Amino acid sequence: DTGVSQNPRHKITKRGQNVTFRCDPISEHNRLYWYRQTLGQGPEFLTYFQNEAQLEKSRLLSDRFSAERPKGSFSTLEIQRTEQGDSAMYLCASSLETGGGNTQYFGPGTRLTVL
Amino acid sequence: GQNIDQPTEMTATEGAIVQINCTYQTSGFNGLFWYQQHAGEAPTFLSYNVLDGLEEKGRFSSFLSRSKGYSYLLLKELQMKDSASYLCAVRGDYKLSFGAGTTVTVRA
Repeated sequence: DTGVSQNPRHKITKRGQNVTFRCDPISEHNRLYWYRQTLGQGPEFLTYFQNEAQLEKSRLLSDRFSAERPKGSFSTLEIQRTEQGDSAMYLCASSLETGGGNTQYFGPGTRLTVL
Repeated sequence: GQNIDQPTEMTATEGAIVQINCTYQTSGFNGLFWYQQHAGEAPTFLSYNVLDGLEEKGRFSSFLSRSKGYSYLLLKELQMKDSASYLCAVRGDYKLSFGAGTTVTVRA
């Protein structure tokens, strides 16, 4: 079990550029979540997948954001036409839904800086 | 909607005990989680409560009162490495709603 991994760890981009982040969940986990965290705040929910199906998107996720989990394993989060307000830490988490606690385990995050 | 409150900062001495309180008002409840987050790192799972009462895991304990919408995380025998942010999170149907976190500073 190697845990949740995310790439890249850091991304600096210019306003207006597109960026894509990748998340590899814990291998047997069927749920995958994306959160965004800004300095001094807790993570905020963006979207989640049950296997390959995207089941909910937060209102925080504007039309410039899109997420996929094509084979029910890794996921990508793309931000188009980045804005300075997109600067944040993007966290991915995964869980195994068994009807119990379903603890979400987080990856190390991708820190995005939009100049 | 979700409203989760916890103190912004706490300071304690190495070897002491610190209690971090969390109050919540949420539209759904399927458990309360505590995570530890060191600066620039991912949140790390500490504890989970879904029934009222105390859960103990080594130096860390967590308490839940669902009727009062209240939880606390108790850190005993504080060590310097415990300096971090502690996040209280409530699970609704599937997603977690987080408080802003409590920064704990442990002094020698």
